[in-house]
Amino acid sequence: AQSVTQPDIHITVSEGASLELRCNYSYGATPYLFWYVQSPGQGLQLLLKYFSGDTLVQGIKGFEAEFKRSQSSFNLRKPSVHWSDAAEYFCAVGMDSSYKLIFGSGTRLLVRP
Amino acid sequence: DTGVSQDPRHKITKRGQNVTFRCDPISEHNRLYWYRQTLGQGPEFLTYFQNEAQLEKSRLLSDRFSAERPKGSFSTLEIQRTEQGDSAMYLCASSLTPGLADTRRLEQYFGPGTRLTVT
Repeated sequence: AQSVTQPDIHITVSEGASLELRCNYSYGATPYLFWYVQSPGQGLQLLLKYFSGDTLVQGIKGFEAEFKRSQSSFNLRKPSVHWSDAAEYFCAVGMDSSYKLIFGSGTRLLVRP
Repeated sequence: DTGVSQDPRHKITKRGQNVTFRCDPISEHNRLYWYRQTLGQGPEFLTYFQNEAQLEKSRLLSDRFSAERPKGSFSTLEIQRTEQGDSAMYLCASSLTPGLADTRRLEQYFGPGTRLTVT
């Protein structure tokens, strides 16, 4: 069955440090992959997406992600975290012709001053 | 465009009551999705519409749930005889009709959600 796994429930980093959030997917066909961010009281905001082509994709707010087919991974990275990045991050895969999204369970990012 | 809006933002109801939520998508978006998110989990797909046609329903959508999009614009999600297990955040998202020629058409834009509490 198709699924998305985010192995880290919580991650704490210091402001200014680099960040990597892990995402692994299970999907038989070419995946369409997304990262969303959710702040308290806010809806989900799309950070970036991958459909094909260059496996390193750039998104908003200085985030990037790398698609690695051999590892079934799509990890999110940011070179220098800001306190405003504290939020919950969700990885998702787009399914079949419906393009409905299957989400991981999320990773909550805490930023130390 | 102001984005996807949902109403109400919060709803508290007693077990056994019926509730209805509304979603207004981005105006030119003809695809609309409903998801449900429980505490500590990612959103789970419930159903989606292409214009006014409901094309797929998840097994999560029991017969107490019904969704409509009568004119291909706003959508409503009704839950009859609510149960405590229905307590969740109900999210709506919209997109253009997907097409690989323009990958922006695959982007779903989410509303702020309706938080339902069943007491």
